[in-house]
Amino acid sequence: KAGVTQTPRYLIKTRGQQVTLSCSPISGHRSVSWYQQTPGQGLQFLFEYFSETQRNKGNFPGRFSGRQFSNSRSEMNVSTLELGDSALYLCASRTPGGTDTQYFGPGTRLTVL
Amino acid sequence: GENVEQHPSTLSVQEGDSAVIKCTYSDSASNYFPWYKQELGKRPQLIIDIRSNVGEKKDQRIAVTLNKTAKHFSLHITETQPEDSAVYFCAARTGGGNKLTFGTGTQLKVEL
Repeated sequence: KAGVTQTPRYLIKTRGQQVTLSCSPISGHRSVSWYQQTPGQGLQFLFEYFSETQRNKGNFPGRFSGRQFSNSRSEMNVSTLELGDSALYLCASRTPGGTDTQYFGPGTRLTVL
Repeated sequence: GENVEQHPSTLSVQEGDSAVIKCTYSDSASNYFPWYKQELGKRPQLIIDIRSNVGEKKDQRIAVTLNKTAKHFSLHITETQPEDSAVYFCAARTGGGNKLTFGTGTQLKVEL
């Protein structure tokens, strides 16, 4: 099976712009979570989706939003970008059937200038 | 909410020695504790995990122990090899969802 994929892998934006990141989970996985990784704050949970519904949300401002499609692919959007949004954005999909394991994608490296 | 503390932040060992990384968590309702290894420029990869109803789990050179009373869990790597050099993250999950609260990471360096 192919692993979790994320596009694009690298992105450069300027302050005030918005960005959309995409995540395709492992085939058969219906649960997708998003995390932000920065040197200062480490790995922080953004939100999770299951069957197109947001199940949980982390402590991030409303500029961060996401959605999940019927094929389980997920997107996250960041509006009005700030310099502090520069980070590696990781998504993870979880095996179905009640198991706990989450598999991470390679991430999207976002740089805000 | 959950808070996870991880120590040490850096750890240097000689090849063949053992390495131990410790984490404490705050929410007694946490029920799942994975450990991830992240090499430079790569994605975090699960190396071992443990559920709250188990005290210890081992997979070849890697083991995790959990003390629910003290709310701490530890990663043990024996016979370390240079390829073990990476950043290791512990995490805790409360409830049945996906939200993982991560520790701040330990940079492990295995020296020849």
